[in-house]
Amino acid sequence: QQPVQSPQAVILREGEDAVINCSSSKALYSVHWYRQKHGEAPIFLMILLKGGEQKGHDKISASFNEKKQQSSLYLTASQLSYSGTYFCGTEIYGGSQGNLIFGKGTKLSVKP
Amino acid sequence: DARVTQTPRHKVTEMGQEVTMRCQPILGHNTVFWYRQTMMQGLELLAYFRNRAPLDDSGMPKDRFSAEMPDATLATLKIQPSEPRDSAVYFCASGFRDQPQHFGDGTRLSIL
Repeated sequence: QQPVQSPQAVILREGEDAVINCSSSKALYSVHWYRQKHGEAPIFLMILLKGGEQKGHDKISASFNEKKQQSSLYLTASQLSYSGTYFCGTEIYGGSQGNLIFGKGTKLSVKP
Repeated sequence: DARVTQTPRHKVTEMGQEVTMRCQPILGHNTVFWYRQTMMQGLELLAYFRNRAPLDDSGMPKDRFSAEMPDATLATLKIQPSEPRDSAVYFCASGFRDQPQHFGDGTRLSIL
């Protein structure tokens, strides 16, 4: 039931774009995205609740394709501060309400 | 800004000892989660409560772990007896369904 994230790791130069994918084998009610820096707690980025929903936050946006049971996180014009590990957390339809299952994470490194 | 507070931040103890971790959720949040994070397994849900009632503790080894929420301002996670494989970072988070989960800074536990 754990969602699969891809890629596992990515290295970018400042200003480059990246896409992180999160796929589930189960029908999804919602997808949450978090970023975690080394030694710190995960920080919330965004929640997507509806199929086809797309959200944006500064230069970070995400989409949720309910039919494909997947979500993608888009980082444009990356900044050094974007470095960290990105996790998707998925709530499965018919599962415990509010129970998120997290993927193993995608490690993003942004170099000057 | 309101924050989730976890104590202790670090704990080193010997195998067989009892370990108690505490969490003060953000006032008003009705859902409290306990997660364990390791390099191998990633972020795993151990247990969670809604309105202080346990909803799901299927991720928790029942023979040695217990989670309680004696009142709305305190959640506890106990390990007795502790084993070296319990070494991990334990996070508490609070929130509402369909809303961001706010994570505490975590308890870094080392069992020798």
